[in-house]
This record gives sequence, C-alpha cells and structure tokens, in this order.
Amino acid sequence: QSALTQPASVSGSPGQSITISCTGANSDFLRYNYVSWYQQHPGKAPKLMIYEVNNRPSGVSNRFSGSKSGYTASLTISGLQAEDEADYYCSSYTDSDTWLFGGGTKLTVL
Amino acid sequence: QVTLRESGPALVKPTQTLTLTCTFSGFSLSTSGLSVNWVRQPPGKALEWLAFIDWDDQKYYNSSLKTRLSIFKDTSKNQVVLTMTNMEPVDTATYYCARTSSLPFDYWGQGTLVTVSS
Repeated sequence: QSALTQPASVSGSPGQSITISCTGANSDFLRYNYVSWYQQHPGKAPKLMIYEVNNRPSGVSNRFSGSKSGYTASLTISGLQAEDEADYYCSSYTDSDTWLFGGGTKLTVL
Repeated sequence: QVTLRESGPALVKPTQTLTLTCTFSGFSLSTSGLSVNWVRQPPGKALEWLAFIDWDDQKYYNSSLKTRLSIFKDTSKNQVVLTMTNMEPVDTATYYCARTSSLPFDYWGQGTLVTVSS
C-alpha cells in the first residue's frame, strides 16, 4: 500500500493560519475525494475534523477547512489557538476498499 | 450515544496470538452502511489501519498484515473481534476500534495498549 506523505511538523503563533499538506501517490487519491483529517491530542484517541476533502462534522470549528488539488490535500487551521496544538493525520480510502493514514504532522502553537 | 471500548490482554509473548474485542453501543452493526475498523499506533508513531468489517459481513485487511489478521462480528453481542497471529515486539502499540458510517472513523474507542515481550 502506498503512503500518504505529511510534513513531520508545522508551527504557528496564536491567531495565525497554518496549512498541513498530505500527498498521495496512487491514482485513486487523485480520482476520489475520500480524504479525511484527524486531530489527536497526547494520550487521546483521534478525532475526525474533516471528511471528503472539505466537510466538517457537526461540532467542529469552522476555523478548520480542507482542500485538495491533484495529488495533494491540505488542512488549513485559521486563527490558531493553543488548544489546536496536537498531531494531525490525513487519511484516504482506496480502490482496494482499504484505508491509508499519513505519517502525521505535529502542530506546535508558539 | 455511540461508544466503543476495546478489551484484551495488555501483555502478550512473541509468537502468541492476540485477540482483541471491541464492544460498542449506540448502533447496530446490522445497519446498512456501518462498519467497524481496527487501527493501531505504536508508541510515538503514526496511525496504521488494520482491518474493517461491515454490516454485510464483508471483511477487508491491510495487505501488509493480511496473512496474520482475522476479523469477525457478533451482532447479537455488539462486538467485533480482531485476532493477530505470530505477535512480535514491533506489534507493540495502542489498538483502537473505530466506527465508520457515512463519515469515516467518526467514533473511536479510548484504545488499549498491547505490549509484546517475553
């Protein structure tokens, strides 16, 4: 199974915006919009933040948004807050009816 | 209210078979469109999807681990069981179960840490 590639870390100051990228390698990543994003605080289970590229589940702040262009999906967090400091994972569904997760990105709020 | 809870041994020996149970409430796995996944996370490392079973008893596995994994459900008990054979120290991880509906991985259990050591 191919990997989803994310930067190891990103950082930003409170109030700023940051973007985390997720690059896929397979044509199904290009073809389908089944990209989702998860937030994970230390010692906690992941939490769904974005699904199908740019949809927010009920209860997720509109400071979180997603997009996709070609083989790269992105998660943008605007108006950074201290509570946004966490690990973020992208995920994609594949043609083989399996799931992939990215390597994760550690977000530091300076 | 949807909840999931993982249970199983905290410690297994190398070469042993791991059996984990996900007990859930707030939904039925006989409902069309629902599935339950297993995901693991070695300490300090990334999430890795392992397997899922859906409402129609279809089963899908991570191709890298397929020969070692089995997943099945007991709808009457609201449980999904994952077995992983020939455990090795590199399999030490927190194992999560998570539901997928029209939204992927929308509810997660709190995870259970499994350590593989002699």
